[in-house]
Amino acid sequence: AQSVTQLGSHVSVSEGALVLLRCNYSSSVPPYLFWYVQYPNQGLQLLLKYTSAATLVKGINGFEAEFKKSETSFHLTKPSAHMSDAAEYFCAVSDPRGYQKVTFGTGTKLQVIP
Amino acid sequence: NAGVTQTPKFQVLKTGQSMTLQCAQDMNHEYMSWYRQDPGMGLRLIHYSVGAGITDQGEVPNGYNVSRSTTEDFPLRLLSAAPSQTSVYFCASSRKTGNTIYFGEGSWLTVV
Repeated sequence: AQSVTQLGSHVSVSEGALVLLRCNYSSSVPPYLFWYVQYPNQGLQLLLKYTSAATLVKGINGFEAEFKKSETSFHLTKPSAHMSDAAEYFCAVSDPRGYQKVTFGTGTKLQVIP
Repeated sequence: NAGVTQTPKFQVLKTGQSMTLQCAQDMNHEYMSWYRQDPGMGLRLIHYSVGAGITDQGEVPNGYNVSRSTTEDFPLRLLSAAPSQTSVYFCASSRKTGNTIYFGEGSWLTVV
């Protein structure tokens, strides 16, 4: 069984401030982990993914995430928020053993205040 | 590149009506799936397929049917629409687990 918990359904940051979106996972096997972004009225777009290589993963638009096994976390960060980062962000976990099911978190809406 | 294409984008149905959401991908992906997105609940898996002729149920399959006759197409059928099926539906595909999942643009369905 696998699950994802995203802490905070809404996060507000000032433009230029650090973005930190939290994700904790539960998995019975070493997982693959993903962050997706969804802009209004659009589908989900991959930001970055962890597939058991480097624990610090860099993605698009200046985002990065660090896999911490001891904390079962995969938090998403960006040093300086931009207005265009306002969107909903989803953390997801999948089983790498060959099953297609991916479990998504409930999402965090990021608001960037000018 | 077309990627994952869903139609229709918007649809209003009356309770009891049936309809099919179409999904096609041109990336030769083996895996395809349907999710529904509801406020505060994230994405929930309805049905998925690991290849042509093979489908299985996800987390919330009741009221929906799927089939996979070709690699490219994975339609979702609502047999008798209910207001509880008002949602945004996303079709997705991937080459295999652990790889990037590509999503369609979504289909907004309202059942009145």
